[in-house]
Parts: sequence; structure tokens; C-alpha cells
Amino acid sequence: DQQVKQNSPSLSVQEGRISILNCDYTNSMFDYFLWYKKYPAEGPTFLISISSIKDKNEDGRFTVFLNKSAKHLSLHIVPSQPGDSAVYFCAASGGRTSGTYKYIFGTGTRLKVLA
Amino acid sequence: DTGVSQNPRHKITKRGQNVTFRCDPISEHNRLYWYRQTLGQGPEFLTYFQNEAQLEKSRLLSDRFSAERPKGSFSTLEIQRTEQGDSAMYLCTSSLVAGGANYGYTFGSGTRLTVV
Repeated sequence: DQQVKQNSPSLSVQEGRISILNCDYTNSMFDYFLWYKKYPAEGPTFLISISSIKDKNEDGRFTVFLNKSAKHLSLHIVPSQPGDSAVYFCAASGGRTSGTYKYIFGTGTRLKVLA
Repeated sequence: DTGVSQNPRHKITKRGQNVTFRCDPISEHNRLYWYRQTLGQGPEFLTYFQNEAQLEKSRLLSDRFSAERPKGSFSTLEIQRTEQGDSAMYLCTSSLVAGGANYGYTFGSGTRLTVV
């Protein structure tokens, strides 16, 4: 039972264009969401988060959109740069409600930004 | 304090041996979590501590696994009688939970375990 799904295992984008990574979840109790970037042989690096009380959060080139009714979130990277090439994970938690802040991760999307 | 530190980075062990990993969290963080990541999957929750108290354990954590955080600072994860299925990246993360909010969920670089 995969509660957090990233249905696109890979994505290729030209440098300078927009990258859109998608994530769907099934548990309506999830109230906090994170995006992480992971390079080979390193731990995940936090990118951006969003709480269920918002529908958008922006940090520089990264914007996360949350559609609660569709149980869908997306990460937009504009403009995409070759250094953004990595595996991106979305993660969801019912932490604000339960207090545990344990996260359920998707299986990741490998982004390749072509120069 | 440069972040969450995990040791060793890599561990190769023979099936049936015991292994222990260490995680040093960010010093002011009161929460510490262990995750496991296998190839092609996202990290999966194993267990977490609030200070020295272990508050939750996943069903993934069999009886061969034990975790401690004796003084509410560093944590150890021990696997007894390792099996080939234990081969994975073991990730530690720490955070500060205060006032119902969670700050700075920061991962270490992980310990990659290979059981041969």
C-alpha cells in the first residue's frame, strides 16, 4: 500500500526550461509535505516544504504547489540548471496532527537537466 | 555543528555477523529518526526517539534490530545475525520539535550496509 506515489521514474528537461515533478498521496491525514534532492552516495538534502494550510510555497527557483482536493503536489524548478540533476523524493507526514513527524516517501523521480 | 553525522559510511559484513551504526544528530535537535533505503525505493521509517525515549518502532524493525539513544544525544542502530535482505542504506535524521512544529528535518549521509 503505497501512500505516496511518484509515477514518473525519470524526467529530462533542457537547461533553462521548467522542470515539473509530481507526487500523489492517498492519506487525507497527511498535513505536511517535503521535497528532497538526493545525489548518489549522499543522504537526501532538504529542498522545500509545504503545510496543508497553504497551497503554494516558494523558495528561489523552487516552488511547491499543493492541491488537497486532488491529493497532489508538484515541485516546479525554474529555470532548471544542470546541477539540479538528481533524484527527487516527495515525502508526507501527518506530523502536525499526530506529532510524530515520521515521513512516508515516494520512490523518487530522476531528473536530468540537459545542457 | 556541521549537520547530522553517520558512521561508518560503508560496512561490508558476512551473513550472521552483528553490526552497529552510529548517528550524531545536530546538537540542539530533540528528535532522531532512523530510515532504511533500498535500491529504487524511497527511505522507509524504522524508528524514532524524542530525547532518549524511543517512541515508535516500525513493523520493519524485526527482533534482530535494536536502537538506542542513551543520553538523548547520539544514537546507535544494531543489527544482529545479519541477513542479505538487510543490505540497504541506513539513514539518520534529526529535527527540533517544539510547540507542535517541526524544524530542520536534516538527513545524514547514511551508512551503506552490504551483507555478503
